[in-house]
Amino acid sequence: QQPVQSPQAVILREGEDAVINCSSSKALYSVHWYRQKHGEAPVFLMILLKGGEQKGHEKISASFNEKKQQSSLYLTASQLSYSGTYFCGTEIELSPNNAGNMLTFGGGTRLMVKP
Amino acid sequence: GAVVSQHPSWVICKSGTSVKIECRSLDFQATTMFWYRQFPKQSLMLMATSNEGSKATYEQGVEKDKFLINHASLTLSTLTVTSAHPEDSSFYICSAREVDRGAYNSPLHFGNGTRLTVT
Repeated sequence: QQPVQSPQAVILREGEDAVINCSSSKALYSVHWYRQKHGEAPVFLMILLKGGEQKGHEKISASFNEKKQQSSLYLTASQLSYSGTYFCGTEIELSPNNAGNMLTFGGGTRLMVKP
Repeated sequence: GAVVSQHPSWVICKSGTSVKIECRSLDFQATTMFWYRQFPKQSLMLMATSNEGSKATYEQGVEKDKFLINHASLTLSTLTVTSAHPEDSSFYICSAREVDRGAYNSPLHFGNGTRLTVT
């Protein structure tokens, strides 16, 4: 079942912050975040495993709330290069510590950063 | 880092013809590769899981006789769109994990995609 992403679209000024959410109705083993520019393949950003991980790189970070089966991607002090469509991909947990090995992607969040 | 190469980048074909798309893992082996399709402004939808040495697993609603998948080696999977029609026009993307199983903290690496236009 496809995870639900919100918001569907967001417009920011350079330097502003944004949060993108991804929710699943199923127990998840991991959540993957990708950014896709128009006409290009998705680019990997980060993975969060079950267990309540939080991680980040430079000004992009993410968290995974295992109880809520929800992940959030945080974009801080956004740059023009952050523009694109962000997808979360979820990997369900078939049984304890046994993942399904395939990703189901959310509908995407279109982010536009303006000067 | 792991690289997945997809070829061709784009193809225009006439209705009724067949088109083959190749997906290669360049510096790692992948017993499993995934084929996605993406329509404009929509999400990536998994079409099928390609398994080396065995039959592909197709998602519900994907015609296996129309979208033929062959995973002949640990580094190559091909998708053939048979008797293509205009409604098959889409962006097809393959992907593979650097480590197939046992380490689920590895990302999915995507090829650059193939834009198919059927006229």
